[in-house]
Amino acid sequence: EAAVTQSPRNKVTVTGGNVTLSCRQTNSHNYMYWYRQDTGHGLRLIHYSYGAGNLQIGDVPDGYKATRTTQEDFFLLLELASPSQTSLYFCASSDGNQAPLFGEGTRLSVL
Amino acid sequence: AQSVTQPDARVTVSEGASLQLRCKYSYSGTPYLFWYVQYPRQGLQLLLKYYSGDPVVQGVNGFEAEFIKSNSSFHLRKASVHWSDSAVYFCAVSLNYAQGLTFGLGTRVSVFP
Repeated sequence: EAAVTQSPRNKVTVTGGNVTLSCRQTNSHNYMYWYRQDTGHGLRLIHYSYGAGNLQIGDVPDGYKATRTTQEDFFLLLELASPSQTSLYFCASSDGNQAPLFGEGTRLSVL
Repeated sequence: AQSVTQPDARVTVSEGASLQLRCKYSYSGTPYLFWYVQYPRQGLQLLLKYYSGDPVVQGVNGFEAEFIKSNSSFHLRKASVHWSDSAVYFCAVSLNYAQGLTFGLGTRVSVFP
């Protein structure tokens, strides 16, 4: 069964902290995405990738890095977390012909 | 730049009543169009998608949407809602799947018995 798994599901850190959000898909999809969801903004695209080693900038990339280590794994890095990055983060994957499949989200709080 | 407008932030309906959620997009071309649903504490699940063909597209759980090109709209409908349809519904558009989707702000639907 197609799946996108995010970890952790919840994370609390302090301002200036270092956070890594993980996403793994077992769908053999080439495309993977990181979104953040905020009240009043909907979902906004942070970074995306066409395959291992590839990284593309989305609409709200400031303060975020991402890395695609394998076809399955896509990581979102916050090296100096700020309270403005408190959000619900979603990972998604697609084969380029089907609608993206979403994970269940990671809720991040930056204190 | 493309944009999606969902004019209704909240909709309240009685169980068994019909539902229509509005979506208008701004895009210079023929985009892919989507409706997703988000249940509490869950990720987004695809209800239906459209690119071409019959402008009325059927989705899961009795949902359908109608594409009206002249109005740049893609409204979602359901003839008779159930309490389990309480959720947030997102309309989204994309030039192509590879570059990700642009989402509207969502419409929160509350179904009362």
